[in-house]
Amino acid sequence: GDSVTQMEGPVTLSEEAFLTINCTYTATGYPSLFWYVQYPGEGLQLLLKATKADDKGSNKGFEATYRKETTSFHLEKGSVQVSDSAVYFCALSAASGTASKLTFGTGTRLQVTL
Amino acid sequence: GAGVSQSPSNKVTEKGKDVELRCDPISGHTALYWYRQSLGQGLEFLIYFQGNSAPDKSGLPSDRFSAERTGGSVSTLTIQRTQQEDSAVYLCASSSDPHNEQFFGPGTRLTVL
Repeated sequence: GDSVTQMEGPVTLSEEAFLTINCTYTATGYPSLFWYVQYPGEGLQLLLKATKADDKGSNKGFEATYRKETTSFHLEKGSVQVSDSAVYFCALSAASGTASKLTFGTGTRLQVTL
Repeated sequence: GAGVSQSPSNKVTEKGKDVELRCDPISGHTALYWYRQSLGQGLEFLIYFQGNSAPDKSGLPSDRFSAERTGGSVSTLTIQRTQQEDSAVYLCASSSDPHNEQFFGPGTRLTVL
């Protein structure tokens, strides 16, 4: 079945540091890929998405590129802020028919300090 | 309201009791999903409703779990004879189309004593 593997946390960075959170997936066909973020005390929010190979999703300074050859969708940000502290989830949605349920990774907690 | 709402926000129950969790999706959204977020299992898909089609129940962990969606809008997730391992945050999401962004509610935190 479909699965998503993302790096274990927590990740602790100083403000303005470079962020990478690795995500790889296993799926049949060509899934859509997502990063969701859960800020403390809040619900899950979509951060960015990519629906086909080589697409780059971007939002709020975060980027991720859909790499079919390496089945990866790594999240990056050039300069993190304290306000980016949250739990980040990589997810995929099967591409075919009505099977649009999301399969999530285990989440990576990011803590940004001054 | 502008977003997905869920009630109650917190529910504490005793082992063996039945519970009902409610989800109000965004108005006009035809697709509705239930997920569960627990420490041991992460975020898991439970069930999915799309319009008048038969729901996809493939993620329900046991026959103690059921869900319905009345009138294509509000959904209720029912857990019968709750067990301690049912303790989790139950999340509801909706989307305007199966392949569009899913918007999540704040969740219901269920604690089974």
